[in-house]
Amino acid sequence: GENVEQHPSTLSVQEGDSAVIKCTYSDSASNYFPWYKQELGKRPQLIIDIRSNVGEKKDQRIAVTLNKTAKHFSLHITETQPEDSAVYFCAEKTSGGSYIPTFGRGTSLIVHP
Amino acid sequence: DGGITQSPKYLFRKEGQNVTLSCEQNLNHDAMYWYRQDPGQGLRLIYYSQIVNDFQKGDIAEGYSVSREKKESFPLTVTSAQKNPTAFYLCASSRQGRETHYEQYFGPGTRLTVT
Repeated sequence: GENVEQHPSTLSVQEGDSAVIKCTYSDSASNYFPWYKQELGKRPQLIIDIRSNVGEKKDQRIAVTLNKTAKHFSLHITETQPEDSAVYFCAEKTSGGSYIPTFGRGTSLIVHP
Repeated sequence: DGGITQSPKYLFRKEGQNVTLSCEQNLNHDAMYWYRQDPGQGLRLIYYSQIVNDFQKGDIAEGYSVSREKKESFPLTVTSAQKNPTAFYLCASSRQGRETHYEQYFGPGTRLTVT
C-alpha cells in the first residue's frame, strides 16, 4: 500500500445518530481493508475488515463498504452509543507486495448522550 | 489482556539518554512491529521484523534501533539521536503470510516523555 487518507479527523454526533468515516487509497493492488478502534488510553483493536472481493460487510451496528473503482472504503456505525466514542483507524494492505498495513491518520468520534 | 505486553506503561528520561522499550508476545507470531503515535498523525511505522534475527526499517526509523534475538521479544531503543522522542509507542504482532491477511494485535503501549 501507499497512501491512505482518512476523513473526517473529528466527528461529533448525538447518541442514536449514524456516523460515517471514509478512507481513500491510491494503490490499485490493495485488497484488504481493516478498521481498528482505539478507546482512550487503550490499544487499537480490530473491529471489522473487508477483502476486495466483497462490496459490503456487516456486524451488528457496524458495516464497511468498499468501492474499488473509486478506491474508497467507509465505516458506518448506526444507532451510535457513548461507548462508541473512540479513535477509529482505517488501514489497507496489498497482496504480493509489502504485507505491512498502511494506516490512516485516525478519526476521533465523539458520541454525545 | 495478555498475548502481547509492553513495559513500562510510562517512562521518563532526560534528554541525551538512550532508553529501551520492552515488547513481549506469547502468541507465537512471526511478525512484530513498532509504531509511534502522535496526536493527529495516526500510526507511523518505525521498524518491523518478519523473523528472528531479521528486521526492516519503517517510515520513521531514524534515531531508533531494534533487535529480534527471540521470537517472543522485539525491544525498541530510542537513542539520543531521535530529535523528538516524546510520544506514545505501540508494539504489535501478527501471523505471517504475503498472500493472506492477518490481524495485528497491539500491546497496551508505552508513553515516553523526554525532558
